[in-house]
Amino acid sequence: ELKVEQNPLFLSMQEGKNYTIYCNYSTTSDRLYWYRQDPGKSLESLFVLLSNGAVKQEGRLMASLDTKARLSTLHITAAVHDLSATYFCAVDVSSSNTGKLIFGQGTTLQVKP
Amino acid sequence: DTEVTQTPKHLVMGMTNKKSLKCEQHMGHRAMYWYKQKAKKPPELMFVYSYEKLSINESVPSRFSPECPNSSLLNLHLHALQPEDSALYLCASSQDFFRRGYTFGSGTRLTVV
Repeated sequence: ELKVEQNPLFLSMQEGKNYTIYCNYSTTSDRLYWYRQDPGKSLESLFVLLSNGAVKQEGRLMASLDTKARLSTLHITAAVHDLSATYFCAVDVSSSNTGKLIFGQGTTLQVKP
Repeated sequence: DTEVTQTPKHLVMGMTNKKSLKCEQHMGHRAMYWYKQKAKKPPELMFVYSYEKLSINESVPSRFSPECPNSSLLNLHLHALQPEDSALYLCASSQDFFRRGYTFGSGTRLTVV
């Protein structure tokens, strides 16, 4: 059974600190996505990682993908309160006949002043 | 237009009612999806349509009936729902099965009473 596991599931951090969210998955895939979700809202696409070694950065967030280790990381640099949200990684398990995302459990990030 | 539009945003229905959720996109995407998200849980795939044909049904109960009248429109017909079906229903679209990303709509918050 395919599993996508994030850790930690909850993260409370002070503004200005750095931290990393980890996403492990159990099947072969070279397409991984990171989404942000604010309470009661939809999913906002943050990053699309399409190959081994891919690294993408946007503002204080940087995502990377290691397909051999089946691991993606979302690194937060100098956190600010506005980054408080739930972050999901999702693995694309599509083949030629399917289109399917499997999501991790989500990491709820709380950034305190 | 780079959006997926879902209507209504909120819906309250009784267990004997029939209602429909609507999803529309004008990005020329040929794959469309319904996801269900319970509170504090990740989204779970329900249905996938590719080129207006149903390609995945994730063993969803028959009280949920999807329909794709054309390449821009996706409906989810609801009948005889249970209170445990209350959730956020998210629609998404993508260019095809070798897409670069999924675009999610803002969701319909469904409450079954």
